[in-house]
Amino acid sequence: KNQVEQSPQSLIILEGKNCTLQCNYTVSPFSNLRWYKQDTGRGPVSLTIMTFSENTKSNGRYTATLDADTKQSSLHITASQLSDSASYICVVSLISGGYQKVTFGTGTKLQVIP
Amino acid sequence: NAGVTQTPKFQVLKTGQSMTLQCAQDMNHEYMSWYRQDPGMGLRLIHYSVGAGITDQGEVPNGYNVSRSTTEDFPLRLLSAAPSQTSVYFCASSYRGSSYNEQFFGPGTRLTVL
Repeated sequence: KNQVEQSPQSLIILEGKNCTLQCNYTVSPFSNLRWYKQDTGRGPVSLTIMTFSENTKSNGRYTATLDADTKQSSLHITASQLSDSASYICVVSLISGGYQKVTFGTGTKLQVIP
Repeated sequence: NAGVTQTPKFQVLKTGQSMTLQCAQDMNHEYMSWYRQDPGMGLRLIHYSVGAGITDQGEVPNGYNVSRSTTEDFPLRLLSAAPSQTSVYFCASSYRGSSYNEQFFGPGTRLTVL
């Protein structure tokens, strides 16, 4: 079982609508959680990063929340645009003394239609 | 800045052939890594490097070799290609190896092994 589970696997919404993507993780001890956006045929691009002490972080129309007690995060997209069509990947990092130890979720594929 | 560049963008190999996937970054980042992305799975770490001359194995290193002779370049070599290595390969770099440092991804190489 993947230590980072995302839901739904895919989602279709109308342009202008809001949506919320979920990420549940079991990675422990937890260091930080990052959301990436991956356009088709491109590499992932970071949207937000949150440490265990932060419970919300915004980047324009993207707002990420984190509940470290329940090990859940969500990414809320407001007033969706066609350009929001992409996969959204949740990445959780372990506390480590040195280098990155990250676990990637499988992603939620979002399609925004006119 | 070009960021992280990868070549080729697409490649088809026959079983048993060898090849090198190229990766370069112009951001003077210490940390570089290679991932593979397969359908239904999160990105998985193949190899990483924390600086010129220093490399280490990730989660799925078998069948791949790396070297880091310069800060800028981090090539990935497939020694004897197998159909199980059909995947999309991403190179990434970050300022340091800490997970707090954003990883910048290249555009990917889509590899098919027949």
